[in-house]
Amino acid sequence: EIVLTQSPATLSLSPGERATLSCRASQSIGNYLAWYQQKPGQAPRLLIYDASDRAAGIPARFSGSGSGTDFTLTITSLEPEDFAVYYCQQRSNWPRCSFGQGTKLEIK
Amino acid sequence: QLQLQESGPGLVKPSETLSLTCTVSGYSIGSGYYWGWVRQAPGMGLEWIGSVHHNGITYYNPSLKSRFNISMDTSKNQFSLKVTSVTAADTAVYYCARNRQWLDHWGQGTLVAVSS
Repeated sequence: EIVLTQSPATLSLSPGERATLSCRASQSIGNYLAWYQQKPGQAPRLLIYDASDRAAGIPARFSGSGSGTDFTLTITSLEPEDFAVYYCQQRSNWPRCSFGQGTKLEIK
Repeated sequence: QLQLQESGPGLVKPSETLSLTCTVSGYSIGSGYYWGWVRQAPGMGLEWIGSVHHNGITYYNPSLKSRFNISMDTSKNQFSLKVTSVTAADTAVYYCARNRQWLDHWGQGTLVAVSS
């Protein structure tokens, strides 16, 4: 079973700053990684798939990178609406999948 | 556009069976893709439960015990989740989603509490 470990658990930043979130897989998953954003009381929303492709309608300030076991979600110049919980998800043995435990991005 | 909507009881007694339905609009689920369920316990992260293919083949999270069953009714454009012998640990928000390699469309989620 592939385990995804996200860090940090909580990230405190101010609007306008740059956010860097990490996701590490317990074994190589190629580029089979996605990132989701979840706001309180809402369903998750797909942001990034195949490690670096933005989903439809996602602003360009969101970008993903990495392959193999180490992945990064970068949000340049944080907007107030970006403060949320972010999850990574792998699909290397799709249709099975698994999620990381999440990173909470909070306002400093 | 594609929309998913979960429905089911908000409260289930311990040891009973939880049944949820996801109604899909804007796409015929019998035409393709996998359709799945994800749950989120209060204050916790996301847990993939399983997915069903339009041909009826199912896949489940190997970490979960065999209490979960997902099925599809293409005539109603719905797919369902049944969880048997529920305990308080099954209390969660349950989401249905389209599993098109990635979970690209989600329902709003439904909270199910297990309590006597």
